[in-house]
Amino acid sequence: DQQVKQNSPSLSVQEGRISILNCDYTNSMFDYFLWYKKYPAEGPTFLISISSIKDKNEDGRFTVFLNKSAKHLSLHIVPSQPGDSAVYFCAASARYKDGNKLVFGAGTILRVKS
Amino acid sequence: KAGVTQTPRYLIKTRGQQVTLSCSPISGHRSVSWYQQTPGQGLQFLFEYFSETQRNKGNFPGRFSGRQFSNSRSEMNVSTLELGDSALYLCASMKGGARSGEQYFGPGTRLTVT
Repeated sequence: DQQVKQNSPSLSVQEGRISILNCDYTNSMFDYFLWYKKYPAEGPTFLISISSIKDKNEDGRFTVFLNKSAKHLSLHIVPSQPGDSAVYFCAASARYKDGNKLVFGAGTILRVKS
Repeated sequence: KAGVTQTPRYLIKTRGQQVTLSCSPISGHRSVSWYQQTPGQGLQFLFEYFSETQRNKGNFPGRFSGRQFSNSRSEMNVSTLELGDSALYLCASMKGGARSGEQYFGPGTRLTVT
């Protein structure tokens, strides 16, 4: 049962254009969402997050949008740069009795062509 | 501040053997989580340790176990290895008690089971 889904395994974008990565979730208990970026041979690094009380969070070239009614979030990268080429993971968190558990999507490979 | 370190980085084992992986979190971080990454499956949560206690567990068989020491360093053990255990094993640390779920990942240990 995949509670967090990234339906596009890969995305190719021209340098300077917008990259849009999508993520859907099924568990309505999720109240915090994160995006991580992963380069080969490195661990994922935190990129941006959003709480369920917001519908948008922006950090430089990166913006995350949350549509709670559709259980959908997206990451926009504008403008895209070749260095953005990486695997992007969407993750969701719910408030559990103890501790913290992140549920990750399968990832989307972004290729930015120069 | 030093990041999360994992040892060894690469490991080759044969079926039926057991393996122990090590993770040193960022100084001051008391929570350590372990994930398994396989192609197409994203990051699958194994377990989380906080103050030497396992406080959250994913859906993995009992062959996968872990522990945390008083200095917050953590080890993960896999017994009776199977071919399907070949994966990248990532550990992530967090300050602990942090609701945000923002975790800092190590570079991972690439385990190959032959």
